[in-house]
Amino acid sequence: SQTIHQWPATLVQPVGSPLSLECTVEGTSNPNLYWYRQAAGRGLQLLFYSVGIGQISSEVPQNLSASRPQDRQFILSSKKLLLSDSGFYLCAWITWAGGIYGYTFGSGTRLTVV
Amino acid sequence: QKEVEQNSGPLSVPEGAIASLNCTYSDRGSQSFFWYRQYSGKSPELIMSIYSNGDKEDGRFTAQLNKASQYVSLLIRDSQPSDSATYLCAVNTGFQKLVFGTGTRLLVSP
Repeated sequence: SQTIHQWPATLVQPVGSPLSLECTVEGTSNPNLYWYRQAAGRGLQLLFYSVGIGQISSEVPQNLSASRPQDRQFILSSKKLLLSDSGFYLCAWITWAGGIYGYTFGSGTRLTVV
Repeated sequence: QKEVEQNSGPLSVPEGAIASLNCTYSDRGSQSFFWYRQYSGKSPELIMSIYSNGDKEDGRFTAQLNKASQYVSLLIRDSQPSDSATYLCAVNTGFQKLVFGTGTRLLVSP
């Protein structure tokens, strides 16, 4: 079966500390992978997407970076967190069922920068 | 102009009523449209997708698309308290990238 794993579920980090969030998928190969952020009271903002190993596209300039070291692994990082990096971070991939596709999201990481 | 717009709500309906959620989009070339449900503190869950003008029904849910008016809606029949959530409209802007609206909060009262 196709599954997506994301961890940790919650994270509290001080300003200026580094960040690493990991997302892995199972049951498929060469998926398109996405990182979204949902800030409090705001919509989902696409941060990065990847169509393959080592291929990263950035949607908005920011304090974050992404990497895809393996086919089914997608990592979101920061060298120094800002207060504005707080939010709900969601990894997503495209799944196909019966000719219909859609994003399937991981369970998310709620990051609070203090 | 925002790419995908939704009324933030809350939209309050009594149990058993029809809830109507609306969404407009700005990219006339958009081809596929999605509705997600998001419970508080949880990640979004795909409930409907629609690609052609007209209606698409799945159980108590009906998605409606009007590309000429750049309008997509979601109807929930026989609304239940468990339907209380935020409903996100999403539009494929190309390269399989989805742009989301800010969501409409639905409250179904018993």
